[in-house]
Amino acid sequence: EAGVAQSPRYKIIEKRQSVAFWCNPISGHATLYWYQQILGQGPKLLIQFQNNGVVDDSQLPKDRFSAERLKGVDSTLKIQPAKLEDSAVYLCASSLVKYLDTQYFGPGTRLTVL
Amino acid sequence: QKEVEQNSGPLSVPEGAIASLNCTYSDRGSQSFFWYRQYSGKSPELIMSIYSNGDKEDGRFTAQLNKASQYVSLLIRDSQPSDSATYLCAGPPGTNSGYALNFGKGTSLLVTP
Repeated sequence: EAGVAQSPRYKIIEKRQSVAFWCNPISGHATLYWYQQILGQGPKLLIQFQNNGVVDDSQLPKDRFSAERLKGVDSTLKIQPAKLEDSAVYLCASSLVKYLDTQYFGPGTRLTVL
Repeated sequence: QKEVEQNSGPLSVPEGAIASLNCTYSDRGSQSFFWYRQYSGKSPELIMSIYSNGDKEDGRFTAQLNKASQYVSLLIRDSQPSDSATYLCAGPPGTNSGYALNFGKGTSLLVTP
């Protein structure tokens, strides 16, 4: 079974530029998560989708971050405009529907904002 | 946001020893916890989950949950250099938001040959 796919793997941009990340979850997984992991810290949830509906976006900086999951499959996360403090690894994870189903993480996108 | 606390380490143990990793949590209502392993530059992968008080064993790994004292631990027996990684403790977020995980900062483990 193919795992969670993410692209790009690395991205370097200057502050105030925009950037977009893409995620393709494991086939059949209804739940998709975007986490932000700053160096030396654990992943922090940005947004959670159930199919194509948002379950939790309470920690998403909505003035600059946006995310969508069209057709309940692929998802994109966008940052516009980027700030220095957005430098982090952006992890996408997916799971089946039931509570306590294992979350499987993609390889992540390492973003550097200069 | 409910807190999950871990000592960042690094924790250094010799090969063959038992590594003990600990985690405390603030939400007394939390019912389920997870231990993820993250190698440098890689994404987290699930090692163990534990939902009830007591011990749960899987090969060289034992997870322990003590709800009265609000701590979770992971024991790694016969530690190997390949176990060197950051270990993330995670619990549910304690909100009505769904199944997302609330991660601690992670403990760095170094197993020396």
